[in-house]
Amino acid sequence: EIVMTQSPATLSVSPGERATLSCRASQSVSSNLAWYQQKPGQAPRLLIYGASTRATGIPARFSGSGSGTEFTLTISSLQSEDFAVYYCQQYNNWPPWYTFGQGTKLEIK
Amino acid sequence: QVQLVESGGGVVQPGRSLRLSCAASGFTFSSYGMHWVRQAPGKGLEWVAVIWYDGSNKYYADSVKGRFTISRDNSKNTLYLQMNSLRAEDTAVYYCARDGNYYDSSGYYYPGGWFDPWGQGTLVTVSS
Repeated sequence: EIVMTQSPATLSVSPGERATLSCRASQSVSSNLAWYQQKPGQAPRLLIYGASTRATGIPARFSGSGSGTEFTLTISSLQSEDFAVYYCQQYNNWPPWYTFGQGTKLEIK
Repeated sequence: QVQLVESGGGVVQPGRSLRLSCAASGFTFSSYGMHWVRQAPGKGLEWVAVIWYDGSNKYYADSVKGRFTISRDNSKNTLYLQMNSLRAEDTAVYYCARDGNYYDSSGYYYPGGWFDPWGQGTLVTVSS
């Protein structure tokens, strides 16, 4: 089983600053990596897939990078609506197996 | 617009059964794989099951294998999750989500593996 580990567990950043969230896979997942944002009481929303492709409607301040076992989600200039929990997820399509990281809570500093 | 609406959640005793539904609209349901993902209260996300666009393939997380069954009715644009032998640890919000699959120029199906969009979720509580 591929284990996804996110760091840090909580990240405190001021509005307008840059946030960098990390995700590590226990073995290579190539570029089969997605990022989601979840706000309290809401369903997750897809931000990034294929490690670096922004989903439809996602602002350009969100960017993803990495391959293999190390991945990063960067939010270039934090807006108030960006404070939420972020999850990474690997997808191994054969045989199908999908695992999430434990999440990073991005909070206002 | 693309919409997924789950229903069927509630309180159920351990060992009993429950069936969840997910009604899809705004897209060609029969062209997409579909997933169930759950989230225990205050916890992270756990993938539960996936079904191919035509129902030909189904895969499950080890934690639910043999107890849960995913199915779909493309004529009704609806996804299902039959949950049997429920346990306290199955307590969670259950989300349905569309797979990010795609087709090549020959029409060959490729599963995507990412989830977009998600429904609003339905809460299942297993308690005596």
